[in-house]
Amino acid sequence: TQLLEQSPQFLSIQEGENLTVYCNSSSVFSSLQWYRQEPGEGPVLLVTVVTGGEVKKLKRLTFQFGDARKDSSLHITAAQPGDTGLYLCAGAGDSNYQLIWGAGTKLIIKP
Amino acid sequence: DTAVSQTPKYLVTQMGNDKSIKCEQNLGHDTMYWYKQDSKKFLKIMFSYNNKELIINETVPNRFSPKSPDKAHLNLHINSLELGDSAVYFCASSPVGVWETQYFGPGTRLLVL
Repeated sequence: TQLLEQSPQFLSIQEGENLTVYCNSSSVFSSLQWYRQEPGEGPVLLVTVVTGGEVKKLKRLTFQFGDARKDSSLHITAAQPGDTGLYLCAGAGDSNYQLIWGAGTKLIIKP
Repeated sequence: DTAVSQTPKYLVTQMGNDKSIKCEQNLGHDTMYWYKQDSKKFLKIMFSYNNKELIINETVPNRFSPKSPDKAHLNLHINSLELGDSAVYFCASSPVGVWETQYFGPGTRLLVL
């Protein structure tokens, strides 16, 4: 069974600080997606990483896929209150029709 | 135009009742999904449909019956509702498979009393 462990589960920091969220597995994924979910809405895709070692940037957000394609990280620089939300990682593994989801990281950025 | 829409947004009902949630996508996608998100925010796949055919059925009680009348619609009918069914149910779609972006609906908040 493929699993994705996401950490931390909860993070509350001050505006302007940096943070990193991790998504780890013992399984290899063909690609890994990061979503953000705001209260009362469905998850929205932020980025997909496909190649081992790949780094993608989305403004202050930096996403990295591990060399072995078993883990990924999301780093936010100078966090802002607008970054508040639930961040979810999801891996495409053995099945074409089922993503493996992490448990999510609830992020709160205090002004 | 909303890409993936779900109705109703809120559903409050008594234990033992039967209810349905409807989902429609206007993106022309081949694959649709139903997810359950519990109070701890864990997103769990329930069903995946590709071109109206059931592909994934993840250990869901048979009180839950999905139906896909066409590629753009995937409805969820729940019989004999139980307290533990209370959750947010999300419909999603993707062009073909999970390696592509999944587009989620706004969710249906189900509360069973």
